[in-house]
Amino acid sequence: DTEVTQTPKHLVMGMTNKKSLKCEQHMGHRAMYWYKQKAKKPPELMFVYSYEKLSINESVPSRFSPECPNSSLLNLHLHALQPEDSALYLCASSHQPGGAGELFFGEGSRLTVL
Amino acid sequence: GEDVEQSLFLSVREGDSSVINCTYTDSSSTYLYWYKQEPGAGLQLLTYIFSNMDMKQDQRLTVLLNKKDKHLSLRIADTQTGDSAIYFCAGGGTGGSYIPTFGRGTSLIVHP
Repeated sequence: DTEVTQTPKHLVMGMTNKKSLKCEQHMGHRAMYWYKQKAKKPPELMFVYSYEKLSINESVPSRFSPECPNSSLLNLHLHALQPEDSALYLCASSHQPGGAGELFFGEGSRLTVL
Repeated sequence: GEDVEQSLFLSVREGDSSVINCTYTDSSSTYLYWYKQEPGAGLQLLTYIFSNMDMKQDQRLTVLLNKKDKHLSLRIADTQTGDSAIYFCAGGGTGGSYIPTFGRGTSLIVHP
């Protein structure tokens, strides 16, 4: 199994809603990542978890709250988002923390904030 | 951090070779990556090269690295319509982290 599975694929939410994005991998990878990708832009790193601990937060606003319940799961909790937060949110994992070697990406969750 | 620049578009005919170019700023990058993103999909690692190499070949893909000019290229031989996608150059390995920093991506369009 070389897949990273993200749900939901599409999400539409209002600015007062609370929602969550989910990511799952069963490759035994010890690092998991959240990236944000706006249209026609490169993916931008948001958070990194290494061995289930938050190791990197790229100054992301607190309306985005990551959680790593176990080594296979990564969540991104969303609250009080702004329309400019609309983007494709990509989850990735790697065997080793620090990103050495290949990052395996999910297909992304496309978020629209109204 | 790393800054990576790529041209935005490339259009080729099926069967021709495609060459996608990239320049990067941080000479201490240890790994240089090429990722492919098809429409509606995540990114997929195509190949990577260590900074102490000049060239790497993998089937139809050839990566050339010019460290002096901080220039990386990806050549796709016998380009097929299925190669149409966005190709991201990325650098990693600065400051002890190999997490890739992506360029803006080059949109490759292959015409039949």
